[in-house]
Amino acid sequence: QPVLTQPPSSFASPGESARLTCTLPHDINVGGYYIYWYQQKPGSPPRYLLYYYSDSEKGQGSGVPSRFSGSKDASANTGILLISGLQSEDEADYYCMIWPRSGYVVFGGGTKLTVL
Amino acid sequence: EVQLVESGGVVAQPGGSLRLSCEASGFRFEDYTMHWVRQPPGKGLEWVSLISWNGEKIHYTDSVKGRFTISRDNSKNSLYLEMNRLRTEDTAFYYCAKDLLRFGGSYFDSWGQGTLVTVSS
Repeated sequence: QPVLTQPPSSFASPGESARLTCTLPHDINVGGYYIYWYQQKPGSPPRYLLYYYSDSEKGQGSGVPSRFSGSKDASANTGILLISGLQSEDEADYYCMIWPRSGYVVFGGGTKLTVL
Repeated sequence: EVQLVESGGVVAQPGGSLRLSCEASGFRFEDYTMHWVRQPPGKGLEWVSLISWNGEKIHYTDSVKGRFTISRDNSKNSLYLEMNRLRTEDTAFYYCAKDLLRFGGSYFDSWGQGTLVTVSS
């Protein structure tokens, strides 16, 4: 089973940007996968944020601000969630997800974002 | 408005059985793949199982294969998860989630509030 690696924690200040990463195992090329991102606040279910495949193939969830965007770093085999203009309400856990093969879904371990 | 309401979470003994339900409303339930995702308290998300719109495509994560059975009743707009031979590591909040697509393969655009399953002696 592939493992998606996310840093357990990230810290940033209001107004700054947060760059959350999701690293795929070496045998899975990030370029060939859709990366999905979810946000989860305490006591609530996850909320879908966006997906990123390429600059021409990406999508935003309903009502998700444009401050949230996705990208990839092929050299690091990593998917990235960028949150710009951080607000206190962005403090949450963030999970990445992929379908490494048909009929199988994998989530990353999640990153707890603290807005100081 | 899409609504997913899970029920059936209780305290169960190791080796025991449980059936979770998820009642859907606000969309054409029969048109979409559905999933179960679980989350141990204070920990991360783990995908558990999926069932396609017509029930013909079913998949499980390895740790529940042979113990859990997913099913759906489109006439009742309901999704189920039969859980047998429960283990302490099955303790988690169980969420039902709706896939964007009929045969799955995309993101989960709606989630229920979850139901807590506790496996303990």
